[in-house]
Amino acid sequence: QSALTQPRSVSGSPGQSVTISCTGTSSDVGGYNYVSWYQQHPGKAPKLMIYDVSKRPSGVPDRFSGSKSGNTASLTISGLQAEDEADYYCCSYAGSYTSVFGTGTKVTVL
Amino acid sequence: EVQLVESGGGLVQPGGSLRLSCAASGFTFSSYWMSWVRQAPGKGLEWVANIKQDGSEKYYVDSVKGRFTISRDNAKNSLYLQMNSLRAEDTAVYYCASTSSQCDYFDYWGQGTLVTVSS
Repeated sequence: QSALTQPRSVSGSPGQSVTISCTGTSSDVGGYNYVSWYQQHPGKAPKLMIYDVSKRPSGVPDRFSGSKSGNTASLTISGLQAEDEADYYCCSYAGSYTSVFGTGTKVTVL
Repeated sequence: EVQLVESGGGLVQPGGSLRLSCAASGFTFSSYWMSWVRQAPGKGLEWVANIKQDGSEKYYVDSVKGRFTISRDNAKNSLYLQMNSLRAEDTAVYYCASTSSQCDYFDYWGQGTLVTVSS
C-alpha cells in the first residue's frame, strides 16, 4: 500500500495545458481501469474530477481529461484557468476493496 | 443536495480513544458504500477504511487494522469511526466520503474533522 507517485508541482500560463502523471504498479494503476482524480483547494474538501480513468462527473468542465498507459495514469488540464490552481491527487483501486492515493501535485497558474 | 457532516474530532492523548461521526443527507445512504479518508497536516490524502451498504464487509489500511473500527447506522443515516490506541501519526483531518459500488472512487466528501493526538 505505497502511495502512487506524482510530481510535486506543475505550472502553466492561462490558456496553456498541463499534464500530471501518476505512477503506480501492476497491483494498482496497471491492474485496473479504476483511477480517479481529485482537486483540493486550500482548506477545502477534495472534489472528484475524473473517475474510471477518463470519465467526468456531471458539472466538471471538459477541460479536464484523464488517460492511462500501463502503470501510469495522467490528468490533463487544457485551457488552464486561474481557478484551476489547486492540489490534485490521483487514486487507484488496489484490490480487495482497498484504495491508494497519490502523493499529490500542486498546480500553479502563472 | 448531498451533505456529509463530520463531528467528534478533537485533542486526545496518545493511547486514547475517539469516535468520529458522519451525518449524511440528500441521498439514499443505505445504498452506498462509505469510506473514511484522512489527511495529515500539510500532507496528502490517505484512504483509511470503507464499509459495505449493509455493514457486512469492512476494509482497512494496514496502519489502522486492529485499532480502528468503521460502522454505520442506516436508520440514522450515519457513519462512524471508532479510533482506539491513537498515535501521534494518526493526527489528521478525517473526511467521510460516499463511495462507488466498485469502491473505485469517492464522489461526495464532507468538510472534515480534525483529530490531534498529542500529550
